[in-house]
Amino acid sequence: KQEVTQIPAALSVPEGENLVLNCSFTDSAIYNLQWFRQDPGKGLTSLLLIQSSQREQTSGRLNASLDKSSGRSTLYIAASQPGDSATYLCAVPDSGNTPLVFGKGTRLSVIA
Amino acid sequence: NAGVTQTPKFRVLKTGQSMTLLCAQDMNHEYMYWYRQDPGMGLRLIHYSVGEGTTAKGEVPDGYNVSRLKKQNFLLGLESAAPSQTSVYFCASRPGQGSNYNSPLHFGNGTRLTVT
Repeated sequence: KQEVTQIPAALSVPEGENLVLNCSFTDSAIYNLQWFRQDPGKGLTSLLLIQSSQREQTSGRLNASLDKSSGRSTLYIAASQPGDSATYLCAVPDSGNTPLVFGKGTRLSVIA
Repeated sequence: NAGVTQTPKFRVLKTGQSMTLLCAQDMNHEYMYWYRQDPGMGLRLIHYSVGEGTTAKGEVPDGYNVSRLKKQNFLLGLESAAPSQTSVYFCASRPGQGSNYNSPLHFGNGTRLTVT
């Protein structure tokens, strides 16, 4: 059974810093890996999806990388802003094209 | 284009009462999912559906039933609510087979349920 771990559980940084969030998964036979953002009291919003054949995806100040063989992904946020404060979750399919299994998330606070 | 809409947004039930949570999507997605989110436990899959008329159990299905009579709607039922079902419930959807496997999941804004 797939297990997804996110470290750290919480992170606080000053505005302008570059930061890295980590995600690891136990079964490397994944179809894709997805990163989501969740604001308090809201649903999850998809940020980036990396297909199994890809090594990274970029969207604006966000860059996600995937190393299937080691079971790891990182989400890099450049020049962080207070508006980036949220919980970030990664998720992978349990196996193949099955429902996503989520990590517990990293709660990010960017201090102005 | 509203995306994924969940009703109600909030609900308080007494132990033993029943209720149905409604999820509606207007994106013509095949796959729909119900997750619950609890502090310290993360998101856990309750039930899901890969098409109209189909349902399957997820990680924590006990105490819940679901139905997918129409492609755009996925209902989650609690027949006899228990305090352990106090949670935030999220519905999600995405395109299915024949479309693009690598499509992101779209979430509703959740239903916050308290069972006293």
